[in-house]
Amino acid sequence: EAGVTQFPSHSVIEKGQTVTLRCDPISGHDNLYWYRRVMGKEIKFLLHFVKESKQDESGMPNNRFLAERTGGTYSTLKVQPAELEDSGVYFCASSRELWGAPTFGSGTRLTVV
Amino acid sequence: GEDVEQSLFLSVREGDSSVINCTYTDSSSTYLYWYKQEPGAGLQLLTYIFSNMDMKQDQRLTVLLNKKDKHLSLRIADTQTGDSAIYFCAGGGAGNNRKLIWGLGTSLAVNP
Repeated sequence: EAGVTQFPSHSVIEKGQTVTLRCDPISGHDNLYWYRRVMGKEIKFLLHFVKESKQDESGMPNNRFLAERTGGTYSTLKVQPAELEDSGVYFCASSRELWGAPTFGSGTRLTVV
Repeated sequence: GEDVEQSLFLSVREGDSSVINCTYTDSSSTYLYWYKQEPGAGLQLLTYIFSNMDMKQDQRLTVLLNKKDKHLSLRIADTQTGDSAIYFCAGGGAGNNRKLIWGLGTSLAVNP
């Protein structure tokens, strides 16, 4: 089966601009997760979708971040407006069952300058 | 709060065993995972262990869990140069909380 696909792999934007990251989970995986790794820090949970519903969004940093999963398939994570501290690698993961080990994508490296 | 700690670096010689250690604070973690990240790649699941287990073996990999001390280790037997990567320890919550808490990762260097 195809893995978790993230697009773009790299993005460089200026402070104040908007960026949208996309994640295509493995087909049939109802659970979709977003994580972020800021340089030098731990990978941090952002949120968890079950199908199109947000199960847990406790890790979203602030209201500049908006995640959607319309139709319960792919997901987008929009940052608007981007700030310097948003730079990092954004990982998406998916699992079929709630207790399944998440399969991760290669990540999107976001650089805000 | 919840925390997972790992040593940052480990260097071994090819053919030796590698042991990567991890300690965690959240005693309610139900699943404990080891992920591997090679340069430029994503996070690859290596293995995982349920919190009611003490040990799990999978080919060259052995995971040991000491719940009392909240200590998890990953042993790689006969370490090869292809094992050079960053290894992350992560703990999963109880109930419907599927948030994983991660360590900083241990960078394993395998020298020929």
